[in-house]
Amino acid sequence: DADVTQTPRNRITKTGKRIMLECSQTKGHDRMYWYRQDPGLGLRLIYYSFDVKDINKGEISDGYSVSRQAQAKFSLSLESAIPNQTALYFCATARGAGVIEQFFGPGTRLTVL
Amino acid sequence: AQSVTQPDIHITVSEGASLELRCNYSYGATPYLFWYVQSPGQGLQLLLKYFSGDTLVQGIKGFEAEFKRSQSSFNLRKPSVHWSDAAEYFCAVGASNFGNEKLTFGTGTRLTIIP
Repeated sequence: DADVTQTPRNRITKTGKRIMLECSQTKGHDRMYWYRQDPGLGLRLIYYSFDVKDINKGEISDGYSVSRQAQAKFSLSLESAIPNQTALYFCATARGAGVIEQFFGPGTRLTVL
Repeated sequence: AQSVTQPDIHITVSEGASLELRCNYSYGATPYLFWYVQSPGQGLQLLLKYFSGDTLVQGIKGFEAEFKRSQSSFNLRKPSVHWSDAAEYFCAVGASNFGNEKLTFGTGTRLTIIP
């Protein structure tokens, strides 16, 4: 079984709809991250969490919110989806302090019509 | 703030040929550097990382990278590519200050392999 899972893997929604992307991990890591990937722009950090009570904005947090329900679960919400939020979304995890390797989930492809 | 530049958007090489993907970084202190690979429809997998020590680091799948502080570079190399190496490759730099650990990614280089 995969260590970092994301659901759904693909989602098509309409402008204005609320949508939640979920990430679960069995690695026992304390740190979790949400990124979005757009062609030609690489990965950009949306939110990150160092533990259940520590949530921080990344470089492109506008229009998004997150919830760290447990150490193993980190959800990303789009309260009112808009077409320019169409992208590939990745969850990642890491363990410990300092700059260390991040482990990525398989991604969720989101299309907002 | 740290930044990463991958100057090549797309590279095409013949199977069996050598490969070098370029990465330049900007960071005020000693950088932590990473190369990730993304195969079609997959997440990102770590190829190799540099934290300190030997400036030539070996990774998985026969890849290596060399850290050159004077050139602010961390180029990825492979002596002989295989068709399965076709993927997108991302260089990343990490901030080393405690409490602010994040990775900044480059825009990626897409690698195409021709027979």
